[in-house]
Amino acid sequence: RKEVEQDPGPFNVPEGATVAFNCTYSNSASQSFFWYRQDCRKEPKLLMSVYSSGNEDGRFTAQLNRASQYISLLIRDSKLSDSATYLCVVNKYGNKLVFGAGTILRVKS
Amino acid sequence: EADIYQTPRYLVIGTGKKITLECSQTMGHDKMYWYQQDPGMELHLIHYSYGVNSTEKGDLSSESTVSRIRTEHFPLTLESARPSHTSQYLCASSEGGGGETQYFGPGTRLLVL
Repeated sequence: RKEVEQDPGPFNVPEGATVAFNCTYSNSASQSFFWYRQDCRKEPKLLMSVYSSGNEDGRFTAQLNRASQYISLLIRDSKLSDSATYLCVVNKYGNKLVFGAGTILRVKS
Repeated sequence: EADIYQTPRYLVIGTGKKITLECSQTMGHDKMYWYQQDPGMELHLIHYSYGVNSTEKGDLSSESTVSRIRTEHFPLTLESARPSHTSQYLCASSEGGGGETQYFGPGTRLLVL
């Protein structure tokens, strides 16, 4: 079983749609959680950290459920520029991160 | 934008050649990392360093080696390249402590013929 599992998609949605991605992780000792975004043939970039209380950054909302070891990302009012691969990332210990394989989002006009 | 650089960006080389992938950061970060990523697949940590003269192997076994003689520089070397080494190699850095953001360089795409 992979340490971080994501639905690979692709999620094909129209502009303006709301889309939600889910992720599960296996290491109950993980303390830090992130969503990264990776554009085609580019490096990953931090989208947002995920906090226990849930957090929002503009159109993006992240939620963490430690009991279920589950992380989610909600994108509202999707834009064409949101098309990318979204990586769920969990720390292993210290600064070591484990990356999910990513969920592909395609926003179409 | 993160100040982390990788060269070359693309490299096509024959089997058996020695190669060094360069990674430099100007943020003064103590911690640096090398990841390997195949198309459509997840990143796998192959090496990391928590400071000068500190290097450790990551979760994915790799025939490459690294060195950390200066804080800002973390090169990766393959003594004898093989087609199985064809992949994208991504370098990253972070400040320290636990769980901070890792900033990635643009990557090196390696093709070994």
